[in-house]
Amino acid sequence: DAGVIQSPRHEVTEMGQEVTLRCKPISGHDYLFWYRQTMMRGLELLIYFNNNVPIDDSGMPEDRFSAKMPNASFSTLKIQPSEPRDSAVYFCASSPNPGQGPGYTFGSGTRLTVV
Amino acid sequence: KQEVTQIPAALSVPEGENLVLNCSFTDSAIYNLQWFRQDPGKGLTSLLLIQSSQREQTSGRLNASLDKSSGRSTLYIAASQPGDSATYLCAVPPDGTYKYIFGTGTRLKVLA
Repeated sequence: DAGVIQSPRHEVTEMGQEVTLRCKPISGHDYLFWYRQTMMRGLELLIYFNNNVPIDDSGMPEDRFSAKMPNASFSTLKIQPSEPRDSAVYFCASSPNPGQGPGYTFGSGTRLTVV
Repeated sequence: KQEVTQIPAALSVPEGENLVLNCSFTDSAIYNLQWFRQDPGKGLTSLLLIQSSQREQTSGRLNASLDKSSGRSTLYIAASQPGDSATYLCAVPPDGTYKYIFGTGTRLKVLA
């Protein structure tokens, strides 16, 4: 398996533009997580899905952020409109069962810079 | 609100040394604790998961212990190697959830 695949690896965009981050989880993993990592705040959970259904989105910072999982092999995190304070590394992770393991697999992340 | 603290923030040791990384959490109502490794520019790799009913877990040169009542976990690395250089993070989920809360990590450098 190729692991969790995220695209793009790097994204530079201007303030106010829409940004879409993509994630392909490992096949058979029922859980998918979106995290954001910054120097100031560390790693923060934004939202997680179980069997394509959003379970907890309390970490999504504002209405500008939205996430979807239309099927078991694809998820998107969208920011519209983007702001400089959204600059961070965004990670997607998947797991067959987060409570057992270790079975948590992270993607390599998308480094987002909003100028 | 759960808070996770890792001390020290950075550590530099000579190759071959045994070392201990510390993790503390404020709310003991957890049902597991995980240790992760993060290499520069990469995602996290899960190293060990300890269930709340367990005291320790071992994988190769790594041993993680959990003292839930005191809100502490340690990661012991035996005979450290330059390839162990990375940032190590611990994470706990509030009881009954998968919303892992991460510590800020310990940046380890093992010198050859």
